[in-house]
Amino acid sequence: QVQLQESGPGLVNPSQTLSLTCTVSGGSISSGTYYWSWIRQPAGKGLEWIGQIFTSGSTTYNPSLKSRVTISIDTSTNQFSLKMSSVTAADTAVYYCARRVGGTSNFAYWGQGTLVTVSS
Amino acid sequence: QSALTQPASVSGSPGQSITISCTGTSSDVGGYNYVSWFQHYPGKVPKLMIYDVTNRPSGVSNRFSGSKSGNTASLTISGLQAEDEADYYCTSYTSSTSWVFGGGTKLTVL
Repeated sequence: QVQLQESGPGLVNPSQTLSLTCTVSGGSISSGTYYWSWIRQPAGKGLEWIGQIFTSGSTTYNPSLKSRVTISIDTSTNQFSLKMSSVTAADTAVYYCARRVGGTSNFAYWGQGTLVTVSS
Repeated sequence: QSALTQPASVSGSPGQSITISCTGTSSDVGGYNYVSWFQHYPGKVPKLMIYDVTNRPSGVSNRFSGSKSGNTASLTISGLQAEDEADYYCTSYTSSTSWVFGGGTKLTVL
């Protein structure tokens, strides 16, 4: 059974860079045809797809966030990461990592989510 | 990219059927059979209920079904139960090779 777990600072200063890591267990991050995604939900609002990375390192980002987001993958540690620069209070949200099966819209596996607050 | 359009709220009585719509454009919902639906209880992890428009993951009740017509996808829940009360989100693949979510629908079981 695949499990995903987000980790990282729960508090980030405005204008700084938000950094989160998703650790995958129960399977290799480099096996199969999977895309590894980051999704967020601000309090009281809906879900927002941030971006994804394939095992090869190929990335796709939400056009509205693309200029501030970088997603990377480390197959040696079975982790993938999110960096979001120049954060503001609007970036305060619960951040989830998730796995999607390639060639489908099957987002079956999600992490528990981690709350990141942007505040000084 | 603009969020997909979902009704803010729907309601139904136990045993009834309800349908939640998810409207996009020909560049997302209408252009691809890659639409998913998630059930989300506040504070919990979103649960995949339908993927690829009509497919139900193993373990999801057959009371949940998905469909699509043109630029609008729909989630139907039959035999409504109290435990179905939750927020529901749709998502679709887009021509930008990205994914877009709907604004979410709060389902109330009366």
